[in-house]
Order: sequence, then C-alpha cells, then structure tokens
Amino acid sequence: QVQLVQSGAEVKKPGASVKLSCKASGYTFTKYYMHWLRQAPGQGLEWMGIINPSGDSTIYAETLQGRVTMSRDTSTSTVYMELSSLRSEDTAVYYCARPYFNDGVFYGWFDFWGQGTLVTVSS
Amino acid sequence: DIQMTQSPSTLSASVGDRVTITCRASQSISSWLAWYQQKPGKAPNLLMFDASTLQSGVPSRFSGSGSGTEFTLTISSLQPGDFATYYCQQYKSYPYTFGQGTKLEIK
Repeated sequence: QVQLVQSGAEVKKPGASVKLSCKASGYTFTKYYMHWLRQAPGQGLEWMGIINPSGDSTIYAETLQGRVTMSRDTSTSTVYMELSSLRSEDTAVYYCARPYFNDGVFYGWFDFWGQGTLVTVSS
Repeated sequence: DIQMTQSPSTLSASVGDRVTITCRASQSISSWLAWYQQKPGKAPNLLMFDASTLQSGVPSRFSGSGSGTEFTLTISSLQPGDFATYYCQQYKSYPYTFGQGTKLEIK
C-alpha cells in the first residue's frame, strides 16, 4: 500500500535551516510528482511547492521563493524539503502529498499524504 | 493567486442533521475543486475531486456540487465520525490554494 513516511519533529532557532524528508513506498516513485504543504498551528493549509519525478524541475510558492528548496533521491525513494532563514511564522506542521495520477496524466488533488512533521522555530 | 473563502467558519450540528458548507473562489475555477476532511493531529483526507466526484471509499452521504466560483459540500446525515474540519482546495492554477476551513462541531 502507498505510504509516505516523514521525518521527525524539529526545533530550530530563528535564522537556521531545516531539511525534512518524506520516504515513499508502495508505488513507482520515479513516476510521481510530489508536493509540500504546511499548516501553522490552528490555521489552514498552505501549498509550498512541487517537484517533478526526475527532480530537475520545481515550482515554488512565490511567498517562499529564495528560501525553499525541494529535491529527491530516487535510490532511496525519498523527497526532501529544505527551508532556510527560518522565522517564527514558519512554525507549522509540514506535509508531503502525492497528486493523483492516471493514464499518464497528473491531477491537482492529493490522494496520499505523509503523517506530517512539526517544525518549531523559537529562540 | 486565487482566493478561496469558506463559510461558515464553524458549524454546530447534531448527529443525523443535513449540513452544507460553501466555498467561493475569487475567479472561475471551472470544476477544479477538491474537498478534504481533517481530524485533529491527522493529515487531511480526500473526500471529493472535480467538485462532485466522490473519492473511492468515501461514504455516499457526502456530496459536492458547483462550478465556476461557487461550490458546496453536503453531508446528508451526520455521523459521529464526521465531526472534523473541512477544507476546499482549488487546483486550476499554481499556487494551489485552500479555504480557511469549516469546523463542524457537535451541538
């Protein structure tokens, strides 16, 4: 069965960077895009960006441009999201999410999600 | 960016009630809309896509309608497990955006 298993909680100081991982299993990793989203405490969902199956193309939310980097390692079926220059406003649960794919076409909804990783930014 | 606005923000209802949640887009998104249910401490769970297509395994008491800029999610007869927060999401264009959520509470 499809599983997306994310790395554990992180506590970081303002100005630091954090790199989260999302290990996929149960499907052909090299065929699928992956998205990252986040949810601040008590808030709604914010889309952060997407990485293509080969890892050579990304689209990031404009609000995060310059601070976010997504990458992937096909040898371990793992996707990474690194966020730099952390601020208190970056405190959130971060999710990886897989888009639906059928007959060679990717769609915009997310049918599988990781369990989430809490990142706390505090001095 | 396309803004998504849900109403109400909170909805109090009882088991067996029929409830409707509304989601409005700031511009036409055709039927490029999904609905998710989220319970505390859990990732969102897909309920509906293309505005009205039920995800496999989701009970038929959930239904969706709408196109363009106005959409609704209806639960025909609330069950205890339905008390959660619901989000709409547009996928017409990047950045994908979500409504602020509707918390469905037990009356």
